[in-house]
Amino acid sequence: SQKIEQNSEALNIQEGKTATLTCNYTNYSPAYLQWYRQDPGRGPVFLLLIRENEKEKRKERLKVTFDTTLKQSLFHITASQPADSATYLCALYNQGGKLIFGQGTELSVKP
Amino acid sequence: GAVVSQHPSRVICKSGTSVKIECRSLDFQATTMFWYRQFPKKSLMLMATSNEGSKATYEQGVEKDKFLINHASLTLSTLTVTSAHPEDSSFYICSASRSGGRANEKLFFGSGTQLSVL
Repeated sequence: SQKIEQNSEALNIQEGKTATLTCNYTNYSPAYLQWYRQDPGRGPVFLLLIRENEKEKRKERLKVTFDTTLKQSLFHITASQPADSATYLCALYNQGGKLIFGQGTELSVKP
Repeated sequence: GAVVSQHPSRVICKSGTSVKIECRSLDFQATTMFWYRQFPKKSLMLMATSNEGSKATYEQGVEKDKFLINHASLTLSTLTVTSAHPEDSSFYICSASRSGGRANEKLFFGSGTQLSVL
């Protein structure tokens, strides 16, 4: 069956450090992979999209990698700040054109 | 970015009543809208896909008679939870798509509706 798996354990890091979140998928062959941020009681907000032929994509302090051999994407936040505390979701479109999400990883950045 | 407005943000109702949730795309025409449901600390689960002017497509296990979806215009979709029961209590989120779900398209989400059924 198709799965999108993210580390369900919360990630706690110190301000200024780099946060790295993992997204693994099985039985998908995505051409694109997306990352979203979700704050408590709010809808997700789009952050980044990466194509299968892109190894890495950056946006300000965010960096995403996409390894189609390992079927894995890594999401990095450098120089993390308490305001980065949120749940981060990876997502893929299935063959039916529907965006399916991983369960998300909660990030907590302590000052 | 595009704006999707969802109302109400929070609703508390008695068991057996019906609740309507509205989702509006404010600055673009949404060919397709998606409705998701989310339990605490869990992922978003897709409930249904609605296309303007046609019947919604429901995911497996989602009761179409319980969750009525209407997509009457390119900017408005509504989800009605009929005869709500406590197990329907959840966070409901809509999203809007310009293209109907192209693989490289990002979705814009509403702010969600927290439904509590007493």
